[in-house]
Amino acid sequence: KAGVTQTPRYLIKTRGQQVTLSCSPISGHRSVSWYQQTPGQGLQFLFEYFSETQRNKGNFPGRFSGRQFSNSRSEMNVSTLELGDSALYLCASSLEGTDYGYTFGSGTRLTVV
Amino acid sequence: AQKVTQAQTEISVVEKEDVTLDCVYETRDTTYYLFWYKQPPSGELVFLIRRNSFDEQNEISGRYSWNFQKSTSSFNFTITASQVVDSAVYFCALIPNQAGTALIFGKGTTLSVSS
Repeated sequence: KAGVTQTPRYLIKTRGQQVTLSCSPISGHRSVSWYQQTPGQGLQFLFEYFSETQRNKGNFPGRFSGRQFSNSRSEMNVSTLELGDSALYLCASSLEGTDYGYTFGSGTRLTVV
Repeated sequence: AQKVTQAQTEISVVEKEDVTLDCVYETRDTTYYLFWYKQPPSGELVFLIRRNSFDEQNEISGRYSWNFQKSTSSFNFTITASQVVDSAVYFCALIPNQAGTALIFGKGTTLSVSS
């Protein structure tokens, strides 16, 4: 079966712009989580969506937001981009979230210039 | 505090050597989950193992084995007879009960296996 698909793979944006990243989970999975990976901070949890509701949220500013659609696909949005937002953004899907069977996508590499 | 420490930043070995990656965790919860993931250069995190806090049995899967010791809050990962394909970044992660579904990752250990 198809894995977790993240689009686009690479993105270059200018400081101050906004960006939307997309994640299509494995068919049947209802939980989608997002993580930010940077060389300095490592892997950090952004938020988790389950059945179109944000169920868990990490410690990130309000510029980072997300949503989940009825087909479980999820998007995350970053507004007013800063240079420090340059990172690999990873999405993980699982059946329920609490089953802990997370499958990760290959990520979107965002570069802010 | 909830925390995962991987003290080894980088390890270099020659093929066929055995290598152990260390992981020490901190949590006050009695129920928690521990994970190991592998991140090859392509970027995705590949799941290797999940262990809950009530299951201290060691596990072996092919050349991989894991040693979980609650007494020392450690969950170490050993690769036997390493191969070049094992070269990757390895992450240990924790889900404390109260965090629900958020993985807390260590900083990772970069393993380089040369032929």
